[in-house]
Amino acid sequence: AQSVAQPEDQVNVAEGNPLTVKCTYSVSGNPYLFWYVQYPNRGLQFLLKYITGDNLVKGSYGFEAEFNKSQTSFHLKKPSALVSDSALYFCAVRDIVSGFQKLVFGTGTRLLVSP
Amino acid sequence: EPEVTQTPSHQVTQMGQEVILRCVPISNHLYFYWYRQILGQKVEFLVSFYNNEISEKSEIFDDQFSVERPDGSNFTLKIRSTKLEDSAMYFCASSELLYPRTANEQFFGPGTRLTVL
Repeated sequence: AQSVAQPEDQVNVAEGNPLTVKCTYSVSGNPYLFWYVQYPNRGLQFLLKYITGDNLVKGSYGFEAEFNKSQTSFHLKKPSALVSDSALYFCAVRDIVSGFQKLVFGTGTRLLVSP
Repeated sequence: EPEVTQTPSHQVTQMGQEVILRCVPISNHLYFYWYRQILGQKVEFLVSFYNNEISEKSEIFDDQFSVERPDGSNFTLKIRSTKLEDSAMYFCASSELLYPRTANEQFFGPGTRLTVL
């Protein structure tokens, strides 16, 4: 069965510093990987996805993520954090082999960017 | 920019009552989904729907749950007899039909907060 682990409940970073939100996954075959962000009282907003090709994926709001097959990781990164990036971030995986559409989400990581 | 909408934003109901949560997916999307998020927990898949039938469902989606696309725009989730543990935020999502099918990202609505008393 597919699963996602987000080992950090919260990440604290100062504005202007680089940020990393960690994600590791487990699937039976090759994964499709996604990052979503959730602001308070809002739905999930799509940030970026990895399907195939270049291991570094660029997405919305200056975020990027690096797919590492050997480490089964898909960490979210941003070179310079903004206070407005403070939110809850979810990593999700879909198993290509199964063909199912469902996304399996991690438990989420709260990002807190201080001024 | 097109978006998924959901109504109501908050639904309060008594245990044992039926509720219907409504969603309007993005107009050219063909796959529809329901997820739920119990307070403080992760987002969990409930069901996916394509071509007027359920294509996949989780173990959470038991006989108390049903989905329907009653017209060309709405997608509904019905809970026949609500339980206390059904209290959660329910998210509707939709996605395009792309090849390969599993590569398409899902776009989520703002959610309906269901409170069962």
